[in-house]
Amino acid sequence: GEDVEQSLFLSVREGDSSVINCTYTDSSSTYLYWYKQEPGAGLQLLTYIFSNMDMKQDQRLTVLLNKKDKHLSLRIADTQTGDSAIYFCAESIYGQNFVFGPGTRLSVLP
Amino acid sequence: DTEVTQTPKHLVMGMTNKKSLKCEQHMGHRAMYWYKQKAKKPPELMFVYSYEKLSINESVPSRFSPECPNSSLLNLHLHALQPEDSALYLCASSRGDREGTEAFFGQGTRLTVV
Repeated sequence: GEDVEQSLFLSVREGDSSVINCTYTDSSSTYLYWYKQEPGAGLQLLTYIFSNMDMKQDQRLTVLLNKKDKHLSLRIADTQTGDSAIYFCAESIYGQNFVFGPGTRLSVLP
Repeated sequence: DTEVTQTPKHLVMGMTNKKSLKCEQHMGHRAMYWYKQKAKKPPELMFVYSYEKLSINESVPSRFSPECPNSSLLNLHLHALQPEDSALYLCASSRGDREGTEAFFGQGTRLTVV
């Protein structure tokens, strides 16, 4: 079955880098995603990576994928207070039937 | 336009009421989803419509009734809900084919059942 795991909490200082980790079990996943959710809001797609890639960079965001270990990470460079939110890792097969991890609550300290 | 619009944003209803949640997208997506999200939990899939046909029902109680009138609209009809059904209800859409990648989410309807 499908299962996505994440650590639940992460605290960093403003200006530092944040690294949020995720593991998944479904080897047939074709896409892996990072979504951000601020309090009371919907989910905002931050970035995604196709399963045949091992890295994707988009401005302050770097996604690393280790397909052998089924491990995904999101690095946020120069973390700001506006980055405080819950970050969900998700997997899908060809962009359908998304399965979400429990979410990592990122707190950015001044 | 990558917007999924949900109405209303907030809804308070009694256990004997009938209400509907609405979702709209104009990205030409052919897969639309309803998710339920309780506080401090990830979204849980309820229903998937693919090409306007219900393709997945994750054992959702019949007091929730989805409807897809056309490829741009998705409704969730609510009747005789329980207080434990209070949650954020999220709609999402994706291309729905093998070229599809990401799903776009609406801002959600925060439902309170009293």
